[in-house]
Amino acid sequence: EAGVVQSPRYKIIEKKQPVAFWCNPISGHNTLYWYRQNLGQGPELLIRYENEEAVDDSQLPKDRFSAERLKGVDSTLKIQPAELGDSAVYLCASSLGVAGGWSSYNEQFFGPGTRLTVL
Amino acid sequence: SQQGEEDPQALSIQEGENATMNCSYKTSINNLQWYRQNSGRGLVHLILIRSNEREKHSGRLRVTLDTSKKSSSLLITASRAADTASYFCATDATQKYGNKLVFGAGTILRVKS
Repeated sequence: EAGVVQSPRYKIIEKKQPVAFWCNPISGHNTLYWYRQNLGQGPELLIRYENEEAVDDSQLPKDRFSAERLKGVDSTLKIQPAELGDSAVYLCASSLGVAGGWSSYNEQFFGPGTRLTVL
Repeated sequence: SQQGEEDPQALSIQEGENATMNCSYKTSINNLQWYRQNSGRGLVHLILIRSNEREKHSGRLRVTLDTSKKSSSLLITASRAADTASYFCATDATQKYGNKLVFGAGTILRVKS
């Protein structure tokens, strides 16, 4: 079974340029997540989709970041314009779904990430 | 913001020794999970322990959870060079927009052969 696919793996851009990352989750996974991981830190959630609906985008800097998951399968995360502080690894993850309640099980499967360097 | 805090930040041991990593968190949780990240790669889920469980085993991994102290530990027994990686605890808690995983900053483990 194929895992979570992300592209590109690496991206170097000048500040103020736009950039986009693509993610294809594991087949059948209705929940998709985008995380940002700064150097030496754990991942931080940017946005979570349930099918094509963004159910939690509270941590997404909406002035420059946007995301879409039009058909409820693959997703694109965009930054426009990029700033120096956006340099990080952008991780996509997917899971079968969130059951809710005290016994919820939420194993997430992560892609390899896109390492973004903004110069 | 990150809820979990791992301790130590870095750990260096010899192959065959045991490695213990600790995680503390701040709020009530549904479950706590441990992930491993090899250099330059994505995270891999290792083990999940529910809030009503105190200990769980998986192969060479042993996880404990103390909800009264809001802390967890991950023990890797008989470590191998291939265990060299960063280890993250992540707490699953019900928040405003549903369940959410919040990761700590991680422990860097180096196993020397």
